[in-house]
Amino acid sequence: DIVMTQSPDSLAVSLGERATINCKSSQSVLSRSNNKNQLAWYQQKPGQPPKPLIYWASTRESGVPDRFSGSGSGTDFTLTISSLQAEDVAVYYCQQYYNIPYTFGQGTKLEIK
Amino acid sequence: EVQLVESGGGLVKPGGSLRLSCAASGFTFTNAWMSWIRQAPGKGLEWVGHIKSKTHGGTTDYVGPVKGRFTISRDDSKNTVDLQMSSMETEDTAVYFCVTEYYGAFNFWGRGTLVIVSS
Repeated sequence: DIVMTQSPDSLAVSLGERATINCKSSQSVLSRSNNKNQLAWYQQKPGQPPKPLIYWASTRESGVPDRFSGSGSGTDFTLTISSLQAEDVAVYYCQQYYNIPYTFGQGTKLEIK
Repeated sequence: EVQLVESGGGLVKPGGSLRLSCAASGFTFTNAWMSWIRQAPGKGLEWVGHIKSKTHGGTTDYVGPVKGRFTISRDDSKNTVDLQMSSMETEDTAVYFCVTEYYGAFNFWGRGTLVIVSS
């Protein structure tokens, strides 16, 4: 199974500042067939199901604010929130869909400093 | 508007069985690959398994810990997908989400149904 490791486990950032969450996979998730990274990011707020943010490592889901961006390739990926808003407080997960079983990172809890 | 509504959760004893159901609407269900994902209390997300569309064979895949115990099925005439769970263990306690897949990413989620395995 592909192991997804996020860092840090928790993060406190001031309003308006940049937040960066890292995700590392135990093997490359870059598909040779379509040259796309099979990596997604989700946001989960308490008591709610996860909300998809990004797929193919860098493609924003419809309706997701452009302060959210994804980058990286192969085994190393980053989710960046360019200017933290109060409503961004949540747990963030990365997920690979390169191999079955699909696997998630352990989550990163983002709070306001 | 896409809607996924799970039902069937509850309390079950270790070794027991439970069947979850998901009613889907707002999209072409016959073309959709459907997954179940679970989240133990206070923990992260775990993909349980999926069922492909009939066009892609209608086959299933599962994560290791549930293989041989859980079965996913679909009824395209009713727009439903079920998760049959047997030989349940305390570690199966979780909120179970019904989710649509898009090339393996998960684009629409239900609100989940809670399953508690306890004596």
